[in-house]
Amino acid sequence: EIVMTQSPATLSVSPGERATLSCRASRDIGKNLAWYQQKPGLAPRLLFTGASTRATGVPARFSGSGTGTDFTLTISSLQPEDFATYYCQQYNNWPPRHTFGQGTKLEVK
Amino acid sequence: EVLLVQSGAEVKRAGETLRISCEVSGYTFKNSWISWVRQMPGKGLEWMGMVYPGDSETRYSPSFEGQVTISADKSIDTAFLQWRSLKASDTAIYYCARGADTYGFWGQGTLVIVSS
Repeated sequence: EIVMTQSPATLSVSPGERATLSCRASRDIGKNLAWYQQKPGLAPRLLFTGASTRATGVPARFSGSGTGTDFTLTISSLQPEDFATYYCQQYNNWPPRHTFGQGTKLEVK
Repeated sequence: EVLLVQSGAEVKRAGETLRISCEVSGYTFKNSWISWVRQMPGKGLEWMGMVYPGDSETRYSPSFEGQVTISADKSIDTAFLQWRSLKASDTAIYYCARGADTYGFWGQGTLVIVSS
């Protein structure tokens, strides 16, 4: 099983500042990585596929990068609505053994 | 508009059976995989498995194979997740989501509470 490790577990950032979230895969997954945002009481929202392809409606302040085992989600200037928990997910396998990271909670500093 | 509407919250006892549902609209149900994702209280997301409604092919995470059954009825555009014998550790929110690898559309979640 491919293990996805996110860091940090909690990130405290002030509104308007930049946030950088990391995700590491236990082995090479190419660019087969997605990012999701989840707010309390709601279903996750897809942000990125293919590590860096923004999903429909995702603001340009969000960017994704990386390939292989190391990936980054960057939010350039945090807005109040961006404070949430973020998950990475790999989809490199067939038959599927999709796995999520444990999440990074982005909180207001 | 693509919608996935899940059945309501359930409170059950350990050992009981349960089937929850996910009714879709806004696209051709039989042509897209539907996945199920578990979120235990205060925890992260876990992919459980998926079904292709067109031919009912299923794929399971090793962690969930044998523990649950995923199915679909294309005559009513609905996917199902079922348990034969619930455990207290099955207490969680269960989401259905459209897709085989990434999930752009999600149901609202079904809360399942299992008392021991």
